[in-house]
Order: sequence, then C-alpha cells, then structure tokens
Amino acid sequence: DSGVTQTPKHLITATGQRVTLRCSPRSGDLSVYWYQQSLDQGLQFLIQYYNGEERAKGNILERFSAQQFPDLHSELNLSSLELGDSALYFCASSVRLAVNTGELFFGEGSRLTVL
Amino acid sequence: DQQVKQNSPSLSVQEGRISILNCDYTNSMFDYFLWYKKYPAEGPTFLISISSIKDKNEDGRFTVFLNKSAKHLSLHIVPSQPGDSAVYFCAASPGAQKLVFGQGTRLTINP
Repeated sequence: DSGVTQTPKHLITATGQRVTLRCSPRSGDLSVYWYQQSLDQGLQFLIQYYNGEERAKGNILERFSAQQFPDLHSELNLSSLELGDSALYFCASSVRLAVNTGELFFGEGSRLTVL
Repeated sequence: DQQVKQNSPSLSVQEGRISILNCDYTNSMFDYFLWYKKYPAEGPTFLISISSIKDKNEDGRFTVFLNKSAKHLSLHIVPSQPGDSAVYFCAASPGAQKLVFGQGTRLTINP
C-alpha cells in the first residue's frame, strides 16, 4: 500500500460525458502528479501540482483539467469524453517538488472506459 | 515523440538466470534515470535509480547500467525469481519536476 488513494477504481461512461477522478496523496506529501496510461503506451505525464499550485504541465488535453485543494487532495476532470480517453489514470505523490530521487508514490489507478 | 523507449514489450527468463531489460532515450538533457516495477492492479513502485554522473548503481539483485554515449540504460536482475514477474518501466527526469516513462516491458520468470 503506497498510501496514495484513488477513486473510483473503475468507471464506465459514454462519449461526450464528463467524469472526475479523485486522488488523496500520502500524508504529508505536497506534490501530486497525474499520469495517463493508454493501451501499449507508457505512463504519459499530464500535470503536477505542488501545495495547491500548478507546477508542470505535460501532454494534457484542453478537455482535461485538474486542481489541488487546500487539504492537498487533487481532482482530474475529463470532459467531452472520447473513445480514445479510455485509459488507466494514475495519481502519484511526493513530499518534495523534485522527483528524481525515486520518491514518487503511485496510487492503484482509476480505469476509465468510454463506450 | 517518444523520448524514452523500451523496445521489448515482453521478456521471458528462466528462474535463476539473469534478466536484462533495456531502455533507450533521446534527450541528452535527462539527468536522472529510474526503474519502476508494476504488478497487476497496483501502481508502479520505485525500484532503483542512477544519476547521469554515474555509469552503474547496484542494489542487491538489481543493477542499473547507464551508457550516456549510446543513450542507453539497462536493468540487470540476478538471479531472477518468480516474484520478479511484473511490468518494468524505465523513466528519465529532464529536470526534477516530472518523469518521462517508457512503454514498459513485461518480464515473466519461468520456474
């Protein structure tokens, strides 16, 4: 158990809909990252927040948005869903801003299926 | 643009033998490299890392080698055990605030 909690674990929805994925970081971790893993793809970095502020952005679509709340939990909002958005979405947290020390802890992921 | 590539989607190794997982990268600005391991229905977990100023780092049965001139990274597992069966992701850091991951290699250790 990494200490990072993601809900829901599984979600099935239709094209055009909007969903919200939630992440609770490990206790004390200030930094939250969102990654997307599509079929046969690596983990694609979407966005990072540190203590409530956006700090880095990756290949995140304009239809997607995220935020980190004062209690440090984060939400990833996906709207106007398309079939290609079906993927495993991982949240990860770390205590520091830097992640090259390996101190990045992943949740179990939220599997989104768009039909 | 796939900056970190793991060209072998899968690898099968006999228990007790050496497992070698490979990773190539294109961005010479990467200064830190990591390997993560992922079991089904779990998130990736950190395994071992190496700074770009080193060419080898060892931790028990796991050794990571870095060849900067070839922009190549490898993970050696010796001896391989059934519990090592998992998907292994290579990752690189272009500056501390994010990790760029490869596609992963599924390692199967056969008894």
